[in-house]
Amino acid sequence: DSGVTQTPKHLITATGQRVTLRCSPRSGDLSVYWYQQSLDQGLQFLIQYYNGEERAKGNILERFSAQQFPDLHSELNLSSLELGDSALYFCASSVGTYNEQFFGPGTRLTVL
Amino acid sequence: AQSVTQLGSHVSVSEGALVLLRCNYSSSVPPYLFWYVQYPNQGLQLLLKYTSAATLVKGINGFEAEFKKSETSFHLTKPSAHMSDAAEYFCAVSDLGGTSYGKLTFGQGTILTVHP
Repeated sequence: DSGVTQTPKHLITATGQRVTLRCSPRSGDLSVYWYQQSLDQGLQFLIQYYNGEERAKGNILERFSAQQFPDLHSELNLSSLELGDSALYFCASSVGTYNEQFFGPGTRLTVL
Repeated sequence: AQSVTQLGSHVSVSEGALVLLRCNYSSSVPPYLFWYVQYPNQGLQLLLKYTSAATLVKGINGFEAEFKKSETSFHLTKPSAHMSDAAEYFCAVSDLGGTSYGKLTFGQGTILTVHP
């Protein structure tokens, strides 16, 4: 158990819908990273927050957004869902910005 | 741009044999390097990390990796494979400074199969 929690574990929804994925970092960690894992793209970095502020952006679609709240939990919002958005979404946390990252169990999103 | 190449998407070994998983990176300056393991239907677990201290890094479960700057490599080894080592392994790199802020760039992964 890494100490990072993600909810829900599984999410099945339809095209065009909007979903929210939630992540709680390890106690004391200020950084939260979001990654997407798919068969064709592999593991890709989406976005990073540090102590409530966005710090880095990767290949994140405009339909996707994220935020980190004062209690340091983070949410990833995916809207206008397409079939290709089906993937595993991981959250990771770290103490700072260059420390090792600890991954949550992931949320498996299926878009039908 | 940062990139990581894992040679061999599938590696198969016998129980007790040497495990060697290859990873090469491209970076203008030596980055931080990591190996993660992913068991089926689970998240990624950190095996070991290189952060510019000793070039030979020891991790959990008997794994180790050697950073070779001249070869831009960070290969993962284990002297004797166990059945429980069967999983997918990912090499990852983190650029230092600039606008990377510690984001990880992953290789495509290597699935390790261990035969009895």
